[in-house]
Amino acid sequence: EIVLTQSPGTLSLSPGERATLSCRASQSVSSNYLAWYQQKPAQAPRLLIYGASSRATGIPDRFSGSGSGTDFTLTISRLEPEDVAVYHCQQYGSSPLTFGGGTKVEIK
Amino acid sequence: EVQLLESGGGLVQPGGSLRLSCVASKFSFSTYNMDWVRQAPGKGLEWVSGITNGGDKTYYADSVKGRLTISRDNSKNEVYLQMDSLRAEDTAVYYCARGLVAGRPYYEYWGQGTLVTVSS
Repeated sequence: EIVLTQSPGTLSLSPGERATLSCRASQSVSSNYLAWYQQKPAQAPRLLIYGASSRATGIPDRFSGSGSGTDFTLTISRLEPEDVAVYHCQQYGSSPLTFGGGTKVEIK
Repeated sequence: EVQLLESGGGLVQPGGSLRLSCVASKFSFSTYNMDWVRQAPGKGLEWVSGITNGGDKTYYADSVKGRLTISRDNSKNEVYLQMDSLRAEDTAVYYCARGLVAGRPYYEYWGQGTLVTVSS
């Protein structure tokens, strides 16, 4: 099973700042099948990125994904108040599907 | 817009059973694989189970194998999760999620979730 480790646990930034979230895999993720989700309190997750770098439909271009192999990054170029949420990574390159523990993004 | 609506959650004693349902609409249900993903209170997401579009293949996380059973009825656009021999560690919000037509999925569409609480 691939273990995904997300860091930092919590990220506290000011509006307009750049947020960089990390997702590290215990082994290489096949075909870079890595997705990112945003989850606001009491809501279901929302798909942001799939295939490591492809934005899902309707996702603002301030969200971008990068990386390959075992190291992946979600970047929010200019943080907005509505971006306050927990962000999860997920690998779907091998079974079982696994998720990271999440990074909480807060606004200062 | 794709819709997924779960129901059937509630409070159950350890060792008890529940059946979750998820009704889908606004897409060709029989074309897509379907999954259940859960989230324990204050914790991360955990994939639980998946079923192929025709219902011929099912998949389970080791933590639930032998206790949870996924099934679907394409004539009703519904997917189910039969939960038996429930344990305290099964307490979570259970989400129904649409997979892909083929292959291991990422999830573009999720239901709103249904809470299962296992406690005496």
